[in-house]
Amino acid sequence: NAGVTQTPKFQVLKTGQSMTLQCAQDMNHEYMSWYRQDPGMGLRLIHYSVGAGITDQGEVPNGYNVSRSTTEDFPLRLLSAAPSQTSVYFCASSQGASEAFFGQGTRLTVV
Amino acid sequence: KQEVTQIPAALSVPEGENLVLNCSFTDSAIYNLQWFRQDPGKGLTSLLLIQSSQREQTSGRLNASLDKSSGRSTLYIAASQPGDSATYLCAVKGWGAQKLVFGQGTRLTINP
Repeated sequence: NAGVTQTPKFQVLKTGQSMTLQCAQDMNHEYMSWYRQDPGMGLRLIHYSVGAGITDQGEVPNGYNVSRSTTEDFPLRLLSAAPSQTSVYFCASSQGASEAFFGQGTRLTVV
Repeated sequence: KQEVTQIPAALSVPEGENLVLNCSFTDSAIYNLQWFRQDPGKGLTSLLLIQSSQREQTSGRLNASLDKSSGRSTLYIAASQPGDSATYLCAVKGWGAQKLVFGQGTRLTINP
C-alpha cells in the first residue's frame, strides 16, 4: 500500500523561485490537506480540499496556491519562494471518520 | 477556535516504566481524536484513533482514553522501551470539518 506519497523529499530554492510540491494518495480519499511544520509552531494547515475541484484556505495560506483536478492528486505551489517558507511540508488525506494518513514530508530550504 | 495543548513538552524516563502523555483541547465538540508518533526527520505515523462516542482505544502496549466533557485525552504507554523514543502528537477533528488541529507534541526519551 503506497498511502500518501510526497515528492520531492528535499528541495533547496533561491528566493523568488517557484516550485510545486507533489502529493498523491491511492486510498480514494475525498479530503486532502497540506500542513507546514516549524519548530515551536507545531503543524499548521495551509490549504485543504474536500473533493476534486474544491479547495479552501487554512490557517497560513499566503504565498501558496493549490488545485485539485483529480481525487488522487493535490499539488502545492509556491509562487515566489521566500526564506520564511523554509519548513517541512506534509500532505495528508482522510475520509469521513477514518484516521488521517500523512506523507513522509518535503524538507524545503529557501536561501 | 479549537486549541490543543500537550503537557509535558518533553519527558525522559528509564526503560520499563509505564507513562502517560496528556492532551487537552478547548472545544469539546470534536468528531474524533488521533494520536501520532513522529521520529526525527520522518513523517507522522498514526497510533490510535478515538471517535467522539468512544472512551478508549488500545493497540498493543498503547492505550488512549478520551473524556470529551473535560476536554482531555491521555496516551498510556506500558513497559516503555528505547524504541518508543519519539515525539508524540495529538490532533482533534471538529464536527463538519475534516481539518485537524494539532498540539505541539511531547518529545519522549526512553533511557536504556
